[in-house]
Amino acid sequence: DAKTTQPTSMDCAEGRAANLPCNHSTISGNEYVYWYRQIHSQGPQYIIHGLKNNETNEMASLIITEDRKSSTLILPHATLRDTAVYYCIVRALNTNAGKSTFGDGTTLTVKP
Amino acid sequence: NAGVTQTPKFRVLKTGQSMTLLCAQDMNHEYMYWYRQDPGMGLRLIHYSVGEGTTAKGEVPDGYNVSRLKKQNFLLGLESAAPSQTSVYFCASSYDTGGASYEQYFGPGTRLTVT
Repeated sequence: DAKTTQPTSMDCAEGRAANLPCNHSTISGNEYVYWYRQIHSQGPQYIIHGLKNNETNEMASLIITEDRKSSTLILPHATLRDTAVYYCIVRALNTNAGKSTFGDGTTLTVKP
Repeated sequence: NAGVTQTPKFRVLKTGQSMTLLCAQDMNHEYMYWYRQDPGMGLRLIHYSVGEGTTAKGEVPDGYNVSRLKKQNFLLGLESAAPSQTSVYFCASSYDTGGASYEQYFGPGTRLTVT
């Protein structure tokens, strides 16, 4: 799997958009970008994924650069409940299931 | 549709005792995983399974055993618990191991303390 790099922590004001970056400069053409988050003490939760087109669902938007070397997860109107650790992962089809890693992620703190 | 469930939610063991953690999923997923998460750290893969009757070692398998006798269940066993196994254990399942169908669904976790 391509390695991903995320900032250790970020702050965001409540009601504002939270933009979480992820660098995956060695991504290959068949690797998808996945985002998960883990709210304190809970199991990680899937948010969104994409290959090369921008994606949006009820939780967030995913913007992938044209060269696919980086992406940004956007929470359009952050709330206090969005405070969590956010993980960016890249995975290709048929990747060894044993290489399932989550890294350290970005700790997002949403402040009133 | 309950998703992924874990039993028990909490447990306290004495050093040397044994126990089994149960994970169940009702999504017909082929792949199942056991992770541990120590305070302030990320998830580490203990064991995983690519289908009924098959298991394999992950990143930190020592001190644990697993079994997947039924597709929907994945059991994690501690034969002789040690304080270093104090952690939160998460089970997960997924339809695929990558590509477009790699969403992993996680259970709520089991908080284990070994004294």
